[in-house]
Amino acid sequence: QVQLQESGPRLVKPSETLSLTCSVSGYSLSSGYFWDWIRQSPGKGLEWIGSMHHTGDTYYNPSLKSRVSMSVDTSNNQFSLSLTSVTAADTAVYYCARLQDCFCMDVWGKGITVTVSS
Amino acid sequence: DIQMTQSPSTLSASVGDRVTITCRASQSISMYLAWYQQKAGKAPKVLIYKASTLESGVPSRFSGSGSGTEFILTISSLQPDDSATYYCQHFARNSLTFGGGTKVEIK
Repeated sequence: QVQLQESGPRLVKPSETLSLTCSVSGYSLSSGYFWDWIRQSPGKGLEWIGSMHHTGDTYYNPSLKSRVSMSVDTSNNQFSLSLTSVTAADTAVYYCARLQDCFCMDVWGKGITVTVSS
Repeated sequence: DIQMTQSPSTLSASVGDRVTITCRASQSISMYLAWYQQKAGKAPKVLIYKASTLESGVPSRFSGSGSGTEFILTISSLQPDDSATYYCQHFARNSLTFGGGTKVEIK
């Protein structure tokens, strides 16, 4: 059974960098598929942040592209998100998920709430 | 960029009712259209992918249809457990977009 678990600081100061890690169990990142980050601001809808393949191919939401980077650590079966210059608008629940061949996300982490505040 | 617009934003229906949610794309899109159900405080769960394929384990009262610019999620007989927010999602040209969501309430 494939499981994803987000981890990282839950409080980030404005202008600093938000860094999250998604640990994958039950499936090897090196085996394929894309691995995604999605966020949801309080009371709002879902916003796609980006997708990355274990080979390094990455695709980012154009509205966040200048501040986002994703990386993969196949040795630890983890992938990561970095979001720079955060503001209060980046306060959200951040989810990691697997993007299947159907271009749908079939496995999700439980989500981690990140608050941007001084 | 392709925009995905869902309607209605909220609906209230009784147990047993047939419910439909529409997702409209700003231009004609491929069949890579998925529907998700999200309950309060939980991660989304995929219900339908490729516009009309039911994800394994999802009750058969859920169905998807449509093509081009208009796609529909139907719940044939609404159940209390279906109280949730539903999102459509499309992937194209290396970019992924969610609709704004439809909150389904049980009367």
